[in-house]
Amino acid sequence: GEDVEQSLFLSVREGDSSVINCTYTDSSSTYLYWYKQEPGAGLQLLTYIFSNMDMKQDQRLTVLLNKKDKHLSLRIADTQTGDSAIYFCAERAAEYGNKLVFGAGTILRVKS
Amino acid sequence: DTEVIQTPKHLVMGMTNKKSLKCEQHMGHRAMYWYKQKAKKPPELMFVYSYEKLSINESVPSRFSPECPNSSLLNLHLHALQPEDSALYLCASSPHLEVVYGYTFGSGTRLTVV
Repeated sequence: GEDVEQSLFLSVREGDSSVINCTYTDSSSTYLYWYKQEPGAGLQLLTYIFSNMDMKQDQRLTVLLNKKDKHLSLRIADTQTGDSAIYFCAERAAEYGNKLVFGAGTILRVKS
Repeated sequence: DTEVIQTPKHLVMGMTNKKSLKCEQHMGHRAMYWYKQKAKKPPELMFVYSYEKLSINESVPSRFSPECPNSSLLNLHLHALQPEDSALYLCASSPHLEVVYGYTFGSGTRLTVV
């Protein structure tokens, strides 16, 4: 069934790395995404990874995918105060009728 | 133009009012979506349109009525809403239903039902 889980809160110091974790249940998931939502705003697509990949790097962002454990992580290097936001992972699997299923979101707080 | 534009940004309506939320994109996307997001919760899918036809209705109450008059516009008509319908309503679009590169989201309409 549809179930994407994330830890609810993460606090880091400015300049440190942040790692946000996500687990999903559908082994047929083909695409996985990370979205960022700042207060009062819509969702901004940060990055995505295909299920045939293990890792994707995009500037300060690194996505790791462990298909065996159905675990997805987002690492933000040199975290800045502007990275404070809610981060949602989402999966898209064919059996969900071509819709994205979102996790509950992780609140990232960056302390200066 | 790479945006999804939603209007209004904020809306306060009474339970007997009729109002509409509007969503517009000029990226040539042929799939458009309405999501509802309560505070501190993930977005929940309401409706999906593909090539101006309703593709998915996630068992949404009839007091929410979507409309897709053309490939660039998506409306959500609201009537006889309840206070628990207060939420952020997000519109999104994608090139087509076979989502690969994710959706483009608008900034949302913050709806308060009084």
